[in-house]
Formats: sequence, C-alpha cells, structure tokens
Amino acid sequence: GEDVEQSLFLSVREGDSSVINCTYTDSSSTYLYWYKQEPGAGLQLLTYIFSNMDMKQDQRLTVLLNKKDKHLSLRIADTQTGDSAIYFCAVKAAGNKLTFGGGTRVLVKP
Amino acid sequence: DTGVSQDPRHKITKRGQNVTFRCDPISEHNRLYWYRQTLGQGPEFLTYFQNEAQLEKSRLLSDRFSAERPKGSFSTLEIQRTEQGDSAMYLCASSGTGGEVSYEQYFGPGTRLTVT
Repeated sequence: GEDVEQSLFLSVREGDSSVINCTYTDSSSTYLYWYKQEPGAGLQLLTYIFSNMDMKQDQRLTVLLNKKDKHLSLRIADTQTGDSAIYFCAVKAAGNKLTFGGGTRVLVKP
Repeated sequence: DTGVSQDPRHKITKRGQNVTFRCDPISEHNRLYWYRQTLGQGPEFLTYFQNEAQLEKSRLLSDRFSAERPKGSFSTLEIQRTEQGDSAMYLCASSGTGGEVSYEQYFGPGTRLTVT
C-alpha cells in the first residue's frame, strides 16, 4: 500500500522561510495535500496540488511536486509564531481515502 | 453552517463498554469519512460513505466497529466492547461531489476517546 514519510521536526526563526518535505511511494497518486493541526484540534486543509502540476502558490504557501522522485514540499514564506503546529502531508491514490504521513512538528522561534 | 461538527469532543469509558460518536458533515457535502489518529501519528482511514452507502472500509475497522449514515446526512461510529488500544482521536471529514471540490476533505475537531 501507499507509504508517506515526513521528517519529525523543524525549527525556524520568525520571519524566515520554512520548508517541510514529504516522500510517497505510490506513483498513481492523483492529489497531494498539506494539512495543519494545532494542539487538540482537527486538521485544517491548507492547500493541495494535482499530480499534473509541478508547483502551486497560495499567498505565503508554495507547494512543489517532483513526480519523478515522488517528493512533495511545502514552503511557508515569512514564517510567523502562529505557524507553529504539526503539518501533515497526505496523498490520494485510487479510491477516496487519504493516506497521511506521520506529521512534521514546526516550531517557530521569535 | 460553519464546518464539520463532532459530538462528543471527549469520551472516557471503561474497557468493555460500548461507545457511539456522531459526525455532522458540512450541509451540502454528500461524502463522509472517518479516520483514527493515535498519539504522535497521522490519521488513518477507517471508512467512507457516499450518501447513505458505505463504499469503502479499511481492514482497521474490526468487527467491533460499525458505522452508519442512515439518511445520508449525519453519521455515527460505534465501538463495541472497547479495548485500551481503541484510545485515539476519531476524526470525521466530509467533501462534496462534482469537480475539484470532491477532492477537498474538510475535517471536524475530532472526538478523543480514552479507554481506562
């Protein structure tokens, strides 16, 4: 089945850019997502990209997709303290379920 | 309507008891999903409904788990004879149909289950 991997932790200074990385195994993945989860809360859909795209930009967020390497990244420009959270990469292949990575905890230091 | 809602938000139960959770999707969404998230992990898919039909079930959904969506609106997830390993956050999500919106799954706040 699909496997999605993320690094566990990222520390960044306020105002810098953050880059969160994700790798996946299923080359038939059609949609790839980034969700944000704050403590004790559900998941907030940040952005997603269709597999025929290389890049998608949405305000401070930039998603890059390298299908050859099965690598997805999320860049957050001008990172703020409110961006401190756990970020999950998720992929949709066949069917309707999403397969999630284990999450990357982002800590923004003032 | 502001989003997916789940009830209760927290549930503490003793091992062996039955519990039931409710999910109300975004009103115009006809697809509804249940996921389970254990501490420090990403969510794992449990099951999916389109309207009232349960179309997909994970092997994680043992015979102690049952989900329903009787009128194609809200859904319930029941766990019978709870075990300590069932302790987790149970997340519900919904999506619409037709075009790109069908790929956007919006999550509720979750129900945190603790089995003692």
